[in-house]
Amino acid sequence: GAVVSQHPSWVICKSGTSVKIECRSLDFQATTMFWYRQFPKQSLMLMATSNEGSKATYEQGVEKDKFLINHASLTLSTLTVTSAHPEDSSFYICSARNYQQGAQFFGPGTRLTVL
Amino acid sequence: RKEVEQDPGPFNVPEGATVAFNCTYSNSASQSFFWYRQDCRKEPKLLMSVYSSGNEDGRFTAQLNRASQYISLLIRDSKLSDSATYLCVVDCLTSGTYKYIFGTGTRLKVLA
Repeated sequence: GAVVSQHPSWVICKSGTSVKIECRSLDFQATTMFWYRQFPKQSLMLMATSNEGSKATYEQGVEKDKFLINHASLTLSTLTVTSAHPEDSSFYICSARNYQQGAQFFGPGTRLTVL
Repeated sequence: RKEVEQDPGPFNVPEGATVAFNCTYSNSASQSFFWYRQDCRKEPKLLMSVYSSGNEDGRFTAQLNRASQYISLLIRDSKLSDSATYLCVVDCLTSGTYKYIFGTGTRLKVLA
């Protein structure tokens, strides 16, 4: 399978601060990456689709000004949670689509805790 | 009705048992199908793609029935390490982009 890294793996921050999460495809180029959020005992919820060189497409109900996505290269997408609040605490997972294999490969996730 | 439906379980089975998971999807235009496994507090990992002809990978067999919009996963000779949540995933073309639709997942516990 393809390898996707994500950094940091966990972060604890104070309310009102911004947190940046990086997602990298290590052994393939990904024109499309995805950002998901997962709450305990629930399935993954797609937040946005990140396309290299263009604006991200956000799912309904996801605030684009709060969750800033940048996909500046074929191997890197970043998600910045701005002015984080305790309700933003969650497990954030990115994935990258490997078109050769026709599947998405997931990063290890970032556990965000906002105090 | 959810787009992808799975029995959430949990399925508690003894080691060595055979267990089958089912999944139904509602979008007839769905393109590709997958089973992923997710361990607690970890990311989903691709287990196998699912084809109409059926495919097998060791103890795992997946099957797709497009007419019935039904996907299955069979695990033979269950191991303790098979304990995880199994996600049924449907890949749909939406507004020019392929996106995953996830089932809620089926929890499996293999007991010693």
